[in-house]
Amino acid sequence: EAGVAQSPRYKIIEKRQSVAFWCNPISGHATLYWYQQILGQGPKLLIQFQNNGVVDDSQLPKDRFSAERLKGVDSTLKIQPAKLEDSAVYLCASSSPDRATDTQYFGPGTRLTVL
Amino acid sequence: SQQGEEDPQALSIQEGENATMNCSYKTSINNLQWYRQNSGRGLVHLILIRSNEREKHSGRLRVTLDTSKKSSSLLITASRAADTASYFCATDPGYQKVTFGTGTKLQVIP
Repeated sequence: EAGVAQSPRYKIIEKRQSVAFWCNPISGHATLYWYQQILGQGPKLLIQFQNNGVVDDSQLPKDRFSAERLKGVDSTLKIQPAKLEDSAVYLCASSSPDRATDTQYFGPGTRLTVL
Repeated sequence: SQQGEEDPQALSIQEGENATMNCSYKTSINNLQWYRQNSGRGLVHLILIRSNEREKHSGRLRVTLDTSKKSSSLLITASRAADTASYFCATDPGYQKVTFGTGTKLQVIP
């Protein structure tokens, strides 16, 4: 089975510019997550979708970050405008509705550098 | 906010030795999971232990959970150079919303 796909893998932008990341979860996975991982720290949940509805976006900086999951499949995360402190790896993960496993499957991440 | 705190932050051992890392958390959980992250890559799920379990094994991995102390430990036996990675515990209160800890960076020297 194909894993979680993310693109681009790397992105370098200047502060105040905009950037968008794309994620395609594992087929059939209803739950999709976006995490931000700053160097040396654990991943921090930004937003969690169940199908195309938002379950949790309490830690999403909504003044500059937005995310959508149209049709309940792939998702995009956007930052507009970017700040220096947004430099991080953005990880997408998905999980199955099968509660017996509760396992999240992660994509390779997008490394964002804001100059 | 980080729910779990791993200890130690960094660990360096010789190949063949055992590696033990600990995780402490603050609030009640439904399950606790351990993930591995190789440098520059995504996270890989290793093992899940539920709140009503005390110990679980998977290959060279052994996980314990003490809910009274709100702590868990991950033991990797007979370590290999390929085990070099960061290890994170993640707590789930019961609705697939996991919170990751700060991680332990393990280096296994050949």
